Amino acid sequence: GAVVSQHPSRVICKSGTSVKIECRSLDFQATTMFWYRQFPKQSLMLMATSNEGSKATYEQGVEKDKFLINHASLTLSTLTVTSAHPEDSSFYICSASPRLANTDTQYFGPGTRLTVL
Amino acid sequence: AQSVSQHNHHVILSEAASLELGCNYSYGGTVNLFWYVQYPGQHLQLLLKYFSGDPLVKGIKGFEAEFIKSKFSFNLRKPSVQWSDTAEYFCAVITYNTDKLIFGTGTRLQVFP
Repeated sequence: GAVVSQHPSRVICKSGTSVKIECRSLDFQATTMFWYRQFPKQSLMLMATSNEGSKATYEQGVEKDKFLINHASLTLSTLTVTSAHPEDSSFYICSASPRLANTDTQYFGPGTRLTVL
Repeated sequence: AQSVSQHNHHVILSEAASLELGCNYSYGGTVNLFWYVQYPGQHLQLLLKYFSGDPLVKGIKGFEAEFIKSKFSFNLRKPSVQWSDTAEYFCAVITYNTDKLIFGTGTRLQVFP
């Protein structure tokens, strides 16, 4: 149980285009989902927290107009990287907290490797 | 700001050797502590966690960690590693004032047969 999927697993796009990454909780409802970014040989950095049906909360330094997050249902959150640039190339990981659980219970997706040419 | 330090960036061991990975955090208040593992090509999985009570926590696959409050540490240990333990290990903290997971930079463990 407690499986989180991400789609796509890898994406290559041209500079200036937008890319959407999906995060799904497959066998549980997730009130809260988190989006992380991981640079090579560095830690996972929390980008934003999204709660179903409300606006995402972005961490300091994360541009909310560039990284659009939508959490329209209890099983799906999407991250859209708008007007992507090479510096946005990274590994994006989502996690989900089951409904009625504390946010310290998080199940992680397998990640999405974004490469912007 | 809160932070988590993992001083061992890359550890190489032979099978059956003992393992200890260091983790220190900077926060003076109450914390919840975690160790996650990421096997090659797989997602992050929880190894063990400490919330309260016995500071020696036992997790899956023979791992354990000890919370030493005076040292702000939560080191991960395993008495005898296996080749299948080859993975990236992340220490993480949630502090009561942020409610967010803060990760260390990770330790890459390679175990050779």
